[in-house]
Amino acid sequence: SQQGEEDPQALSIQEGENATMNCSYKTSINNLQWYRQNSGRGLVHLILIRSNEREKHSGRLRVTLDTSKKSSSLLITASRAADTASYFCATDARYGNNRLAFGKGNQVVVIP
Amino acid sequence: DTEVTQTPKHLVMGMTNKKSLKCEQHMGHRAMYWYKQKAKKPPELMFVYSYEKLSINESVPSRFSPECPNSSLLNLHLHALQPEDSALYLCASSHEPGQGFYEQFFGPGTRLTVL
Repeated sequence: SQQGEEDPQALSIQEGENATMNCSYKTSINNLQWYRQNSGRGLVHLILIRSNEREKHSGRLRVTLDTSKKSSSLLITASRAADTASYFCATDARYGNNRLAFGKGNQVVVIP
Repeated sequence: DTEVTQTPKHLVMGMTNKKSLKCEQHMGHRAMYWYKQKAKKPPELMFVYSYEKLSINESVPSRFSPECPNSSLLNLHLHALQPEDSALYLCASSHEPGQGFYEQFFGPGTRLTVL
């Protein structure tokens, strides 16, 4: 089973709208992270939430973590065209020790 | 300096060629990683170096040979690759493993095409 497996979604939204994407995983985790990847480039770390945290904010990003449901969500508020990217969640549950397992990713397109 | 650099940005090679990918970071990170990413797929871990020693090899074929000359540099030597090895190769680094979990910093990647 794959860790950090978010619902395979392709979101297309208008600029200014909110974008929400989800991530589910199957075993216990220490941390869950979200990364952004612009078209064929490197990944950029967005936010890390620890297993004892339920919600975390960073600028226009809001991440929630529900360890009882083994799921996380990433909300981007007031989206901008520059938010167009693929978003991956990643967990360390399966391997541990700085070894990340990435989910399938969500493609978000923000239309100006 | 919070940047991971990778060279070259693009590489086209034949199946009989030998080439190398290079990665460099100056953040003092002691863990470095190689990932392979196919189009529209998540990154797949290939190798992990911890304190310049290979700590994880995800059953990668021997035609990929990693090397960590020092704590700032990571190479991936390529030999006798197959067309299916064409992908984006990403390097990443992070703080010491086992010292709490830290984010990974990724380079921009090398787009590899094997003809």
